[in-house]
Amino acid sequence: QKEVEQNSGPLSVPEGAIASLNCTYSDRGSQSFFWYRQYSGKSPELIMSIYSNGDKEDGRFTAQLNKASQYVSLLIRDSQPSDSATYLCAGSNTGGFKTIFGAGTRLFVKA
Amino acid sequence: DAGVIQSPRHEVTEMGQEVTLRCKLISGHNSLFWYRQTMMRGLELLIYFNNNVPIDDSGMPEDRFSAKMPNASFSTLKIQPSEPRDSAVYFCASSTTGSLYGYTFGSGTRLTVV
Repeated sequence: QKEVEQNSGPLSVPEGAIASLNCTYSDRGSQSFFWYRQYSGKSPELIMSIYSNGDKEDGRFTAQLNKASQYVSLLIRDSQPSDSATYLCAGSNTGGFKTIFGAGTRLFVKA
Repeated sequence: DAGVIQSPRHEVTEMGQEVTLRCKLISGHNSLFWYRQTMMRGLELLIYFNNNVPIDDSGMPEDRFSAKMPNASFSTLKIQPSEPRDSAVYFCASSTTGSLYGYTFGSGTRLTVV
């Protein structure tokens, strides 16, 4: 069973702090990795994608990938209350068709 | 771009009834994915299509579930007969070239089977 594992949280950080979300995956054939944000009662929204080892930055978000350790992370700098949501980590196989999602980490940013 | 459009938004039905969920892809997208989300099991991939062809339906839980893609822009997911354990939020998502670049999700259908 190919799996993507996340700590369900909740992770609580004060406003302005860095939130660090982590994810591990079991399928070494996974090539592409994604972070989705899901607000309560809403659908998942893609916020970051990463394909190569290292860091990828987009605004306040930084995704990190370490394929040797099978580890993906998301850093959110200057966290805002509007960042409070569930963050889903996902990995996609070589063919690019089968994306498996983790259970998600709930993040609370306290004002 | 109207996004991925799902209907209905909410569906309440009695056990044993047939349920049909509908999804319209984003224009230009050629891959379609049906997911089911519950608190216990998270997001589960049910089936996906590429260029109207079903590629993998191994996630479909039982023969009671079936999915079709009669044309490049539209898909249905049917449950017949429905059971209370089918209660969940059903999402469809679309993308180009498989899932290599991530998905755009529809707003989901919240299904309650009583």
